[in-house]
Amino acid sequence: SAVISQKPSRDICQRGTSLTIQCQVDSQVTMMFWYRQQPGQSLTLIATANQGSEATYESGFVIDKFPISRPNLTFSTLTVSNMSPEDSSIYLCSVGEGLVAGYTFGSGTRLTVV
Amino acid sequence: LAKTTQPISMDSYEGQEVNITCSHNNIATNDYITWYQQFPSQGPRFIIQGYKTKVTNEVASLFIPADRKSSTLSLPRVSLSDTAVYYCLVGATGGSYIPTFGRGTSLIVHP
Repeated sequence: SAVISQKPSRDICQRGTSLTIQCQVDSQVTMMFWYRQQPGQSLTLIATANQGSEATYESGFVIDKFPISRPNLTFSTLTVSNMSPEDSSIYLCSVGEGLVAGYTFGSGTRLTVV
Repeated sequence: LAKTTQPISMDSYEGQEVNITCSHNNIATNDYITWYQQFPSQGPRFIIQGYKTKVTNEVASLFIPADRKSSTLSLPRVSLSDTAVYYCLVGATGGSYIPTFGRGTSLIVHP
């Protein structure tokens, strides 16, 4: 299965600023996903990032707040813009091809907004 | 998308067998059942997947009855390191499938 490197692993940011999270995969994949996991909660899908097209956002998430780039088949970034304390969460990227082997997740970025 | 229901939490002791059951009453014909494990400060990790009957790998077994409306993840002889959250997911493994997570089951293994 694919190996994902996600950076940064954690960060503490001031409200009103932005943070860009990087996700690097060791193989080419068609679909990449970004999730958010709030403290003590399950994972919520933010958006699907497809190479060569705009990301598809889930209900409750908008591009202005969470812009995503997908410049090639091995890399994606998620930016958390104009942060507030409510954005404090773990953000995870994931890749998968819908195959029986399941999906692979990065180790996550723990974001704290103060 | 089939909705899943799992116990919120379970407790066990080292060396015991743990069975976590997931209900998915409206599972579709093309749906597979997949289980993930998540340790604190890590992303979920694929454990096992099945369609019907029984699947076993080096980590766990998955039991699926004939009606497929439920499934049971079985962890043999758990250790402290099996303390984690376990998620049951249901969906068709086609190109458009996107993992959707429910609340999961928090398993705590005691010495």
